[in-house]
Amino acid sequence: NAGVTQTPKFQVLKTGQSMTLQCAQDMNHNSMYWYRQDPGMGLRLIYYSASEGTTDKGEVPNGYNVSRLNKREFSLRLESAAPSQTSVYFCASSGGQGAPLHFGNGTRLTVT
Amino acid sequence: GIQVEQSPPDLILQEGANSTLRCNFSDSVNNLQWFHQNPWGQLINLFYIPSGTKQNGRLSATTVATERYSLLYISSSQTTDSGVYFCAVERNNQGGKLIFGQGTELSVKP
Repeated sequence: NAGVTQTPKFQVLKTGQSMTLQCAQDMNHNSMYWYRQDPGMGLRLIYYSASEGTTDKGEVPNGYNVSRLNKREFSLRLESAAPSQTSVYFCASSGGQGAPLHFGNGTRLTVT
Repeated sequence: GIQVEQSPPDLILQEGANSTLRCNFSDSVNNLQWFHQNPWGQLINLFYIPSGTKQNGRLSATTVATERYSLLYISSSQTTDSGVYFCAVERNNQGGKLIFGQGTELSVKP
């Protein structure tokens, strides 16, 4: 039982490059989330998906797109990376409203 | 949006001491969770506690929803308790939109 799996663990991009962060969960959870963590800023919600087929903006959605590919997978895409997107990105899932949130181990992204 | 404030921002303890961490929030919530981020960056769910009191070993949490705050108690602290503690809340009818506070960084010295 792997829980929430994120790939890659580390990535370095040049400004303007694109990439997709992958996330998969094997807990049959309905809800999935993408957060970014910056020093002194806590975790900020980028996008979330309350159920398969739906996605909603969080606190800081600009510069990102998401796809809820199926119940298991929720990907985050940076179309044109900027240095301000240098951060640690966490994917999370939960069984729905009121259920505990489970996190992946994070992706450390550097944009130069 | 909802505001979540945690205090203190950082805390240094001697091993064996007790501590209380606080989370204030600005609106009614139907979901409140506490997390521990260890020094390796992993985030672990400690409690789901929108109201009432729960205990798990040396840790306990209390949420007073009507007064919009939650407390996390750590008793007989150990060095492995070091890390950052976050609370996260979801405003009523927000469909799962969980917002985090900025955390309390705890350092437990041997």
